[in-house]
Amino acid sequence: GAGVSQSPSNKVTEKGKDVELRCDPISGHTALYWYRQSLGQGLEFLIYFQGNSAPDKSGLPSDRFSAERTGGSVSTLTIQRTQQEDSAVYLCASSPLTGGYEQYFGPGTRLTVT
Amino acid sequence: KQEVTQIPAALSVPEGENLVLNCSFTDSAIYNLQWFRQDPGKGLTSLLLIQSSQREQTSGRLNASLDKSSGRSTLYIAASQPGDSATYLCAVTSAGGTSYGKLTFGQGTILTVHP
Repeated sequence: GAGVSQSPSNKVTEKGKDVELRCDPISGHTALYWYRQSLGQGLEFLIYFQGNSAPDKSGLPSDRFSAERTGGSVSTLTIQRTQQEDSAVYLCASSPLTGGYEQYFGPGTRLTVT
Repeated sequence: KQEVTQIPAALSVPEGENLVLNCSFTDSAIYNLQWFRQDPGKGLTSLLLIQSSQREQTSGRLNASLDKSSGRSTLYIAASQPGDSATYLCAVTSAGGTSYGKLTFGQGTILTVHP
């Protein structure tokens, strides 16, 4: 079956612009996670969704970052007024439920802020 | 706060060698531990998942062990091949508080297997 997909695969944007990153989870998976992988920080958790609600936003680095999920499916991560330190690979994962279930990762979106 | 450490940071071995990658974590309240592989410029591929109640998991030439009480896991790769060259990441799913299954990753071990 189809895995987790993310779009775009690559995004180059100018400092100060807004960007939207999209994640399509595996059909039927209720839990969805966003992570960021940057050179200096490794892989770090950003936010997770259970259905359409986000009980844990603790990893979002600033109020320029927001995310939503609609219909219990597609999620969008929005970064406003991008900064160079936002350059990273943004990974999305989904799992059938929250807790100790295996997470399946998408290929990621590589964001470069110039 | 959960912290995950992987040793060594990099490893270079000749083809055919058996090798061990190490992972340690500070908080034993975990649901499970996962080992991932990441090829350059690619996403994460899950290799093995060990539930907190299990001691080990095996898949082909890979064997992962878990000692939850001491906060340690090892990934054993038998008869290594050049195609095994990649970054290997260890991650734990925390069970405490509001963690709700989020993964905490180690920094990874970069493995190079040369012919």
